[in-house]
Amino acid sequence: AQSVTQLDSHVSVSEGTPVLLRCNYSSSYSPSLFWYVQHPNKGLQLLLKYTSAATLVKGINGFEAEFKKSETSFHLTKPSAHMSDAAEYFCVVSERNAGNNRKLIWGLGTSLAVNP
Amino acid sequence: DTEVTQTPKHLVMGMTNKKSLKCEQHMGHRAMYWYKQKAKKPPELMFVYSYEKLSINESVPSRFSPECPNSSLLNLHLHALQPEDSALYLCASSQGETGNQPQHFGDGTRLSIL
Repeated sequence: AQSVTQLDSHVSVSEGTPVLLRCNYSSSYSPSLFWYVQHPNKGLQLLLKYTSAATLVKGINGFEAEFKKSETSFHLTKPSAHMSDAAEYFCVVSERNAGNNRKLIWGLGTSLAVNP
Repeated sequence: DTEVTQTPKHLVMGMTNKKSLKCEQHMGHRAMYWYKQKAKKPPELMFVYSYEKLSINESVPSRFSPECPNSSLLNLHLHALQPEDSALYLCASSQGETGNQPQHFGDGTRLSIL
């Protein structure tokens, strides 16, 4: 069965410093992977997705993630944090299998705080 | 601005009331979803509609009743809710239901049950 583990429930960085949000997954088949962001009192916004094309995926707002099959990881990075990046981030996995599995599996989320 | 519109943004209701949540998208997506989200938790899938037919019901209590009048609209009818049903209810849509297509979310309806 698929699963997603976000290794940090809370990350705090200073404005202008790099951001690293870690995500590991387990999957029997080739997965599709997503990162979503949720700002306070808002819905979820897709940051980026991996669907078996290039392993380095660029997303919106300067975020990118690298799919590493050997490490079963899909960590989210950004070179320089902005105050507006403070939000909850979810790593999500979805895979096709022999059945009709169409449900997304969500990580528990990482809360990112950005300090001035 | 989100491409999935949910109304109302906030709803307070008593346990005996009947109310409806509405969701609309005009992206031509053929799959639509209802999620429930508690504070500091990931969203939990409730229902999936594919081509206007209910394809997944995640064992949701019957006090929640979904409806898909057409390919752009999704409703969630509420009746006799319990205090533990207080949460953020999110609607989402995607081009199809294959699982490798991203879902687009509305901003949600924040529901409070008195």
